[in-house]
Amino acid sequence: DQQVKQNSPSLSVQEGRISILNCDYTNSMFDYFLWYKKYPAEGPTFLISISSIKDKNEDGRFTVFLNKSAKHLSLHIVPSQPGDSAVYFCAAKGTGTASKLTFGTGTRLQVTL
Amino acid sequence: GAGVSQSPRYKVAKRGQDVALRCDPISGHVSLFWYQQALGQGPEFLTYFQNEAQLDKSGLPSDRFFAERPEGSVSTLKIQRTQQEDSAVYLCASSLANRVGETQYFGPGTRLLVL
Repeated sequence: DQQVKQNSPSLSVQEGRISILNCDYTNSMFDYFLWYKKYPAEGPTFLISISSIKDKNEDGRFTVFLNKSAKHLSLHIVPSQPGDSAVYFCAAKGTGTASKLTFGTGTRLQVTL
Repeated sequence: GAGVSQSPRYKVAKRGQDVALRCDPISGHVSLFWYQQALGQGPEFLTYFQNEAQLDKSGLPSDRFFAERPEGSVSTLKIQRTQQEDSAVYLCASSLANRVGETQYFGPGTRLLVL
């Protein structure tokens, strides 16, 4: 049972344009969401997060939007740069001090020149 | 400062062999996590330590998997009698504390191939 879903395995975007990566979740007990970026042969690197009490969090070129009623979040990258090419994982944590992250299967973003 | 380190980076094992994977968390980080990432999948939780206490091992796939963190710092994930389905990248992560907003920092992983 996939509790966190990233339905697009890959995405190609031109440099300078907006990249939008989507994530859906099914567990209503999730209350904290994170995006990680992963380059080949490296571990995931934390990018940005959002608490369920917010609907938007922004950090430079990266913005995460959360729609709790739809159990959907998205990561916007504006403008996209070639160095953004990587696999992006959406992850979620449960209520309280729950420890483990539940990850989606990832979306491979390629930013072309 | 130093991040999370893992060793070995690559391990090839014959089926039935025991392996031990090491994780050095960021200094001072109380929480330590192990995840397994199969090819084409996202990381999946295996187990969690707070200091030396193993508080959650619900993700360990079988009793062949064992993890320890005896002094609350370095952790070892041991897999006994390895099987081909154990082939995956094993990721270790640490965080300063176990709070909802606490970020988990990942190591580079150990890629295990069981032949």
